Order: sequence, then structure tokens, then C-alpha cells
Amino acid sequence: GNSVTQMEGPVTLSEEAFLTINCTYTATGYPSLFWYVQYPGEGLQLLLKATKADDKGSNKGFEATYRKETTSFHLEKGSVQVSDSAVYFCALTRYSSASKIIFGSGTRLSIRP
Amino acid sequence: EAGVAQSPRYKIIEKRQSVAFWCNPISGHATLYWYQQILGQGPKLLIQFQNNGVVDDSQLPKDRFSAERLKGVDSTLKIQPAKLEDSAVYLCASSSGTGGTGELFFGEGSRLTVL
Repeated sequence: GNSVTQMEGPVTLSEEAFLTINCTYTATGYPSLFWYVQYPGEGLQLLLKATKADDKGSNKGFEATYRKETTSFHLEKGSVQVSDSAVYFCALTRYSSASKIIFGSGTRLSIRP
Repeated sequence: EAGVAQSPRYKIIEKRQSVAFWCNPISGHATLYWYQQILGQGPKLLIQFQNNGVVDDSQLPKDRFSAERLKGVDSTLKIQPAKLEDSAVYLCASSSGTGGTGELFFGEGSRLTVL
């Protein structure tokens, strides 16, 4: 079946450090891939997405590239800020009339000033 | 544009009691989802509606959970009787299309504690 595996947290970094959160997936066919973010006290919101192989999603300085050969969608940011502290979820869906989004377990990120 | 509204935000009940959660999606969104998020885990889909029809309820524990979406707008998720393992945040989300093409918009969630 379809599934998402992401690196366990928590991840703690200093401000301006480089961030990578690993995500790999298992799916038949060609899924769409997403990163969602949950800031403290807020609901989940879409951070970025990619719908086909080699696509790069980007938003708020974050990037992720859809790598079909390695079945990965790692999240990266060159210089993190304290405001990036949140829980990040990798997710996938296969387009169909009954498609659903499947989430990974989440990675908690804390940024020290 | 108003977001997805959920209530109550917090609920504490004893096991074997019942509870109901309400969700009002973004206006015009045809697809509505209920997810269960247990502490430390990612959201797990319980049920997906397309308008007022059920698209996927394969992971809904139907012996105790029920959900409805009358008139294709608001939705209610009910748990009766509750068990300790039902303690979780119940997330409602909506989208304008099927999940594969569109973005999901989430409410802030309803946190349930079962004692």
C-alpha cells in the first residue's frame, strides 16, 4: 500500500543553520507529494507540493524535489529562522476520484536563537 | 475568506460516554475529510465525503464512530461509546476537488481526552 516515512524528531538547530528533513515514500504509479506544516496552536497548512517527477516545490525559502529514482521528497532550507519552529509532515496522494492524502508521522523542528 | 471551523476545541469525557464534533468547511468546497491525529503520529484519515456522499470510510471504526454530512455542507463526527484510545485531535479538512489535485485546508482541530 501507499505510505510515507520521514525522519524522526525532534530536530533542534541554531538560527541560520541549514535544514534537511528526510522523506521517502512507497506508492504505486505516480503520486503527488506534499509538505504540510503545523505551527504551534494552529491548524495544518500546505507548505509546498510537487505533482510529477523532477518537479521542485518551493515556498517561504523551503524547497523539495520529487525524486522518483530514490522515491524521496526531502525538505530543505538554507537558513532557518526561529519562526520556522513547527511540526512538518510529508504526505502523498494518488490522483483518482477517491484519492486521499496519506501523512507521515511528522518531524518536530525547534530553532534556537 | 473564512477558514474551516471546528467545535468544540477541547472536550474531556469519561470512557463509555459519547461525544460529537462539528465542522463547517470553506464555502463551496465539495470534499470534506475527518482525520484522527494521535499524539506523536501523523493524521490518519477516518472518512472522506464528496458532497454528501461517502467516498472512503475504510479506516472508520464503525462500531463506535459515525459521521454524516447532511446537505453537503456541515459535518458531524460522533463517537459512542468512547474508549481511552480515542484520545486524540480530530481534524476536519476541506478541498475544492479531490485530494490528488487540490490543497487541503484544515481547521484547528478538536482535542478529545478520554479518562
